[in-house]
Amino acid sequence: AQKVTQAQTEISVVEKEDVTLDCVYETRDTTYYLFWYKQPPSGELVFLIRRNSFDEQNEISGRYSWNFQKSTSSFNFTITASQVVDSAVYFCALFNTGGFKTIFGAGTRLFVKA
Amino acid sequence: NAGVTQTPKFRVLKTGQSMTLLCAQDMNHEYMYWYRQDPGMGLRLIHYSVGEGTTAKGEVPDGYNVSRLKKQNFLLGLESAAPSQTSVYFCASKRGTVGVDEQYFGPGTRLTVT
Repeated sequence: AQKVTQAQTEISVVEKEDVTLDCVYETRDTTYYLFWYKQPPSGELVFLIRRNSFDEQNEISGRYSWNFQKSTSSFNFTITASQVVDSAVYFCALFNTGGFKTIFGAGTRLFVKA
Repeated sequence: NAGVTQTPKFRVLKTGQSMTLLCAQDMNHEYMYWYRQDPGMGLRLIHYSVGEGTTAKGEVPDGYNVSRLKKQNFLLGLESAAPSQTSVYFCASKRGTVGVDEQYFGPGTRLTVT
């Protein structure tokens, strides 16, 4: 069975703090893709990053970085020097190439206080 | 490009009433999805379509029907609304599984069933 677990329901930080959002996944497939999406207060989900199962290189994009570790089935997301605009719900998701469906985690709500 | 649009944005129904939610995309995407978002449960797939004229059940299909008569449109119908269908509904589309792509989401429809 496929599953995505985001154990942190809500996180609250003060602006400029670093914060890591955890994502643990389960799949029996060897080929799969992992995603992070952001849902700001406006409601619309926005794609942040995609990573395939054969590429364990970490990625950095500005203040955002992602740590993919197959050994622990984790795909964690770190925001450095958080800003109020980072306040949103963040979803981790799993897609396996043998199917058509993306499995989403329950989401982590991040509050960044000024 | 408008991307993915959803109509209506808000709706209040009484138990037993019916309605149709319309999703339209102008990106020539093959795949389209309907999700519902409930607090603490992330996004759950209701139905999806891998091409014009095709539909398939997702994780929570009961009480919903869909149609994809035109490639750009994906309709979600509630034949007899129930309070348990109070939720925020999101439509999404993506190009296809070849070269796995991210999903593009609509702005959501907030449905309340009283």
